[in-house]
Amino acid sequence: NAGVTQTPKFRVLKTGQSMTLLCAQDMNHEYMYWYRQDPGMGLRLIHYSVGEGTTAKGEVPDGYNVSRLKKQNFLLGLESAAPSQTSVYFCASSYRDRVGNTIYFGEGSWLTVV
Amino acid sequence: GQNIDQPTEMTATEGAIVQINCTYQTSGFNGLFWYQQHAGEAPTFLSYNVLDGLEEKGRFSSFLSRSKGYSYLLLKELQMKDSASYLCAVETYSGAGSYQLTFGKGTKLSVIP
Repeated sequence: NAGVTQTPKFRVLKTGQSMTLLCAQDMNHEYMYWYRQDPGMGLRLIHYSVGEGTTAKGEVPDGYNVSRLKKQNFLLGLESAAPSQTSVYFCASSYRDRVGNTIYFGEGSWLTVV
Repeated sequence: GQNIDQPTEMTATEGAIVQINCTYQTSGFNGLFWYQQHAGEAPTFLSYNVLDGLEEKGRFSSFLSRSKGYSYLLLKELQMKDSASYLCAVETYSGAGSYQLTFGKGTKLSVIP
């Protein structure tokens, strides 16, 4: 009963390094999202996808790229990490039913850029 | 863009009732969610309102007024484990099957004995 799984959970990067955060969901959801959460700022949407092969920009997309090559996976890339990207990153997936768009979150990935 | 406001912090006593307000200004409104988030954990779904009125679910209730751009989350019979951040989130629809969920900054609730 995995739900939404994010890897890695913790990572320390040096400024300028690159990395990829992987998100996997086993619920066959169409929608997937990447959020970042910073103290006093709440959850902010970075990028999202409404289906396999599609991606779209959210509120704070600069410095990030994403890919959704397979329906179950949504990758978040940092090409050249900056200290401003130190944050907690949450992946989420969702489906739509009569209740609306119910979102399920992964457990978070703590990223520190030094 | 979206503008969602909720109080930063609240304190309430165990066993009491607390109401957390959320006001929003947005276009393409398609529903309002409340999420609970304990420190160091992921947000978890509490409630969803799309029509005006009150939705009750156990000790938690959520109210929505679309004309006023206003919602509240009501927590009854507070327990210590209710100490958490409560996130108001507005869903919008921008066409072509594109839904987005925008979160407020969250209200940190502290329940004291």
